[in-house]
Order: sequence, then C-alpha cells, then structure tokens
Amino acid sequence: GAVVSQHPSRVICKSGTSVKIECRSLDFQATTMFWYRQFPKQSLMLMATSNEGSKATYEQGVEKDKFLINHASLTLSTLTVTSAHPEDSSFYICSARDKGASVDTQYFGPGTRLTVL
Amino acid sequence: GDSVTQMEGPVTLSEEAFLTINCTYTATGYPSLFWYVQYPGEGLQLLLKATKADDKGSNKGFEATYRKETTSFHLEKGSVQVSDSAVYFCALRGQAGTALIFGKGTTLSVSS
Repeated sequence: GAVVSQHPSRVICKSGTSVKIECRSLDFQATTMFWYRQFPKQSLMLMATSNEGSKATYEQGVEKDKFLINHASLTLSTLTVTSAHPEDSSFYICSARDKGASVDTQYFGPGTRLTVL
Repeated sequence: GDSVTQMEGPVTLSEEAFLTINCTYTATGYPSLFWYVQYPGEGLQLLLKATKADDKGSNKGFEATYRKETTSFHLEKGSVQVSDSAVYFCALRGQAGTALIFGKGTTLSVSS
C-alpha cells in the first residue's frame, strides 16, 4: 500500500529552539495532508489541514504562529514548532490523502516523538 | 461537535479468544466509520470501514457493523492471534475529504 514517511522519528531539543518535522508521501501525490497531535493515552487531535499551494487551515485553539505548516509540493508537508517549550512535547502524526484515490483514502506516517527539555 | 468514544484498555487476551472492542459515536448526519490499527513502531493502517447504516466492514478476520440506531461500530474478531497485538482506533469522518476524528485507542495484548 501507499507509504507516508516522517522525519525525524524522534527529536529532543532545548526550550526556545525550533524544530521542523517532515511528512512525505513516497509513492503517491497528496493534495491534502493532516497534522495530528497525540498525548499519552489520548486520541489523535487534529491540529491543521494542509493543502498544497495554499495556507493551512488550523483547528480552534492551535496557534498558527507557533505551529508553522508548509505544503510546498504534492509529496511534502512540513510542520515547524517554533520556540518550543516543554508543553509542546508530544507525538506528532501526519496523514496524507491520495489525490488519485477515493476521498476516503488517507495514509498515516509513523509519527514523530518530540521532547522539549 | 462530532466525537468518538471507545472502551478503555488495555485488553489482555489469550490466543484464540473472542475479541470485542466497543465504539460509539456522536455525529450529525451520516458519518463514515473506520477502525485503524497501529502496530508497534508503525503508522496507523486502515483496518476496515463502513460508510452507511447496516454496512459491515471486514478485514483479516475482524468485522464491525455500522449501527445507526445505537450509534455504534464495535470491532469483533472470533479468534485473536498474538500478531493482533496492537493499538486499535475507532474513527469517524463527518464529510468526505475532511479529517478523521479519533477515539482514544485501545491497546490489545494477546498472549500465547
């Protein structure tokens, strides 16, 4: 099946620094990518919807200036956590919607574990 | 707003036991319903889905029936295997093309 990769899989950074997470669709084109955040023993919470070539749509309560999303191509979306703080530590997961498949087809990346010290 | 509630885990079973993971939802209209599975170290994978009332989704011996009258989509398997050990997420999508709304996930551990 279709593959979505995320890089890095795990990152540890100091408070105040910025971290970029990449989400790539490896064998299909993704016009839409979704970014989720998962806390321990919690469900995946949608952060934003990223459409290729346009600005991301953020969910209520998600700071767009803190979580910068860029969907520059049909195979790559990036999430940058700016001026990270310990409360940003979490598991970040992306999913990509296959442009050529039915609307119900979304593929998930393996996630990125962010730890802010 | 739309939401999904699934049973708390972990669920611990012996091989060949019967599995049920309960899932109920709240949504306006007629959502599509999904079960995703996440094996250790891997991303979420679609296990099965149902797009309208009374539909039954099935895959790899798992099945779930879309019950609109009880707003439920319980996951069942008649005989689990050790390889079924994973985290299972129930999810819904209210409208085509929109993001999924997930339950908290249920960890299943199967021992031989």
